[in-house]
Amino acid sequence: DAGVTQTPRHEVAEKGQTIILKCEPVSGHNDLFWYRQTKIQGLELLSYFRSKSLMEDGGAFKDRFKAEMLNSSFSTLKIQPTEPKDSAVYLCASSYTGGVSEQYFGPGTRLTVL
Amino acid sequence: QQQVRQSPQSLTVWEGETAILNCSYEDSTFDYFPWYHQFPGESPALLIAIRPVSNKKEDGRFTIFFNKREKKFSLHIADSQPGDSATYFCAVTNSAGNKLTFGIGTRVLVRP
Repeated sequence: DAGVTQTPRHEVAEKGQTIILKCEPVSGHNDLFWYRQTKIQGLELLSYFRSKSLMEDGGAFKDRFKAEMLNSSFSTLKIQPTEPKDSAVYLCASSYTGGVSEQYFGPGTRLTVL
Repeated sequence: QQQVRQSPQSLTVWEGETAILNCSYEDSTFDYFPWYHQFPGESPALLIAIRPVSNKKEDGRFTIFFNKREKKFSLHIADSQPGDSATYFCAVTNSAGNKLTFGIGTRVLVRP
């Protein structure tokens, strides 16, 4: 079975640009998560979907970050406008619905904002 | 508000020693405590997890010790191997939801 896929693997953007990151969850998984990973802050939850419904939008990340789940097999994370502090690895993960299901992570997108 | 605290941030042990990583939490409704590991250049992956019905969970050289009263849990890596060098994240959640809150991570280096 295919795992979580993410594209692109690397992205370089100028400050103020709009970028869109993409994620395809594991087939059959109902929960999808977007995380930002940095050395200082660790893994921070940006958004959380259950059966395509947005369950959490990450509070502090609301203003410039927007995640969408257009169908059960595809999600996007839009950052608009980008800022240098957004430079990080963005991870997508999915799991079966259930309080204690294992999360499977994608390979991540490394974003550099100049 | 930090829901889970993890320490130390980095740890170096010699091959064969036991590495001990610690986490604590505040919310007593949490009832599932996984540990994820992340090797350099890779993504996090589930290593081992425990529910508070027991105070110990073993999987090979990896053991979770859980103290419900003190709201603490730890990961012990026995007979550490250089291949165990990675970042380890503890996490917490409750059965009512599926959102994990991760600790800051512990970077473990095992020297041969």
